[in-house]
Amino acid sequence: QKEVEQDPGPLSVPEGAIVSLNCTYSNSAFQYFMWYRQYSRKGPELLMYTYSSGNKEDGRFTAQVDKSSKYISLFIRDSQPSDSATYLCAMSVNQGGKLIFGQGTELSVKP
Amino acid sequence: GAVVSQHPSRVICKSGTSVKIECRSLDFQATTMFWYRQFPKQSLMLMATSNEGSKATYEQGVEKDKFLINHASLTLSTLTVTSAHPEDSSFYICSARDHRVGGTEAFFGQGTRLTVV
Repeated sequence: QKEVEQDPGPLSVPEGAIVSLNCTYSNSAFQYFMWYRQYSRKGPELLMYTYSSGNKEDGRFTAQVDKSSKYISLFIRDSQPSDSATYLCAMSVNQGGKLIFGQGTELSVKP
Repeated sequence: GAVVSQHPSRVICKSGTSVKIECRSLDFQATTMFWYRQFPKQSLMLMATSNEGSKATYEQGVEKDKFLINHASLTLSTLTVTSAHPEDSSFYICSARDHRVGGTEAFFGQGTRLTVV
């Protein structure tokens, strides 16, 4: 079993839809959770960073962490074609520690 | 956000030759840099952690004599793929943490697509 599981998709939605991306994990020691966006043949770009459980909102993006269920989510409101990319979750045990990535979910937002 | 520059973005080399990839933190000092490898539609796999002024820490299964890492300054780390083979063809990505920020977020370079022919 992988430490971090993420559905690779692909996920296709119409423009304006709410997108829900998720990851589950097995290591209860993870405390730091991140979401990255990666466009084709580019390096990942940090979108959201949260510590422990709770919600964090930044513009159209909301990250949720439920440590009791070992489940994290990223919501994208009013999705745009420019949001089409691969979204990777990542997590670590310690601040500054090794990041463990999910496989990434490929998202396509159709105009 | 912080900027990490990786060079070259794309390289083609012949089997048996060596290739050097550079990773620079442009507007912050990074005592630690990370090197990842990514296959198509796969996640990032950590290869090694590069610490300024000391030896890199390699992940299990990564050959340290094949993937040489040098972190000579607080803004530069290099990965050299020695005696490259076609199976080394992949997307290599570096990342660095800005320790001034105090968080665990890592900033990534643009990646280097290596093709060994």
